[in-house]
Amino acid sequence: ILNVEQSPQSLHVQEGDSTNFTCSFPSSNFYALHWYRWETAKSPEALFVMTLNGDEKKKGRISATLNTKEGYSYLYIKGSQPEDSATYLCAFPETGRRALTFGSGTRLQVQP
Amino acid sequence: DSGVTQTPKHLITATGQRVTLRCSPRSGDLSVYWYQQSLDQGLQFLIQYYNGEERAKGNILERFSAQQFPDLHSELNLSSLELGDSALYFCASSPGIKYNEQFFGPGTRLTVL
Repeated sequence: ILNVEQSPQSLHVQEGDSTNFTCSFPSSNFYALHWYRWETAKSPEALFVMTLNGDEKKKGRISATLNTKEGYSYLYIKGSQPEDSATYLCAFPETGRRALTFGSGTRLQVQP
Repeated sequence: DSGVTQTPKHLITATGQRVTLRCSPRSGDLSVYWYQQSLDQGLQFLIQYYNGEERAKGNILERFSAQQFPDLHSELNLSSLELGDSALYFCASSPGIKYNEQFFGPGTRLTVL
């Protein structure tokens, strides 16, 4: 069973603050690392799929980096807005499978 | 809108009953995944189908089964329901090409009374 850990569990920031959270995963047999955003009362929405060590991906104010050798990925949000409030999940496919093992998520609340 | 549809949106039933949840993947997607989210739990992978065949099994109970039909829609059957089966059940789809992102449906909220 894979161990995918996310920290912190929750985060409260003010509008305009920049923030980041961490996803830790097994560094052996790495295939890919997924980030999803899950807003309340909606379904998870894919942000990034990262496959290469040193990968850096960006979508608007959100970016992510990947270190496969040490087994972590960071998600950054620059200038947080209230609409960024959501749970951010990372997920890791197990060996030979496309099904994902999800972390428990980081719940972000951005106060206006 | 992800393009993945799930029906019904809500389902309320009694213990011991059997229900069927339905999922239609995005047009062209060959892989379908089922996930369960129980109270205070994260998303748990149940089962995956690819082009009609079972590809991977997660923490799926023996009372649960699934299938994917020739038109690629999938059904998750839950039988002998228990109170603890109350959860949000998500279906996701992907093209099936290696490590594609998955597109999630809106989910079915199952309540077992």
